[in-house]
Amino acid sequence: EVQLVQSGAEVRKPGESLKISCKGSGYSFTTYWIGWVRQMPGKGPEWMGIIYPGDSDTRYSPSFQGQVTISADKSISTVFLQWSSLKASDTAMYYCARRFTAATVDSWGQGTLVTVSS
Amino acid sequence: QSALTQPRSVSESPGQSVTISCTGTSSDVGHYNYVSWYQQLPGEAPKLIIYDVSKRPSGVPDRFSGSKSGNTASLTISGLQADDEADYYCCSYEGNYIGVFGTGTKVTVL
Repeated sequence: EVQLVQSGAEVRKPGESLKISCKGSGYSFTTYWIGWVRQMPGKGPEWMGIIYPGDSDTRYSPSFQGQVTISADKSISTVFLQWSSLKASDTAMYYCARRFTAATVDSWGQGTLVTVSS
Repeated sequence: QSALTQPRSVSESPGQSVTISCTGTSSDVGHYNYVSWYQQLPGEAPKLIIYDVSKRPSGVPDRFSGSKSGNTASLTISGLQADDEADYYCCSYEGNYIGVFGTGTKVTVL
């Protein structure tokens, strides 16, 4: 069974850094792209970017380029999403998801809620 | 990279059909036959129900169907059931392994 297990909820202050994770299991981790999707409260999902854990090839949506960093550690079957300086507007649920084809994802993590508040 | 446009809500009685539209541009929906649809129940992650415009993943009932014409894709739910009540999002490929989601449609079963 394909599983993506994300790290737990986080609360940070504006300006702080943060790195959340997504661990894959039940499939060949290095041969599927993993994407990150933001969903702000009451809003629709937004593509942030995607990484190929096999060689760490990474692509970003223009709206998120330079705002976040996506990385992977294939030795532990884990991809990461990090911020160097959080803003209140980064408050959202963040999902990782396995790419199936094109921009279609077929398996999702359970989500990580990030709250940024002073 | 603007969100695809969906109606905010649709509603219909059990057993009836609803169709949700998803309008993009000639750079996304109109350019690629890679439109997918997701169902999201409250407090849960989205679930894939249609991919490549009209294909259904294993386990998704054939009451769910997809189509596309020009820059607009559509999801039809036939034989509406109470547990179809959810938010539905379309997503189109934009190239470079990146996609764009729709604004979302809340389906209410009357």
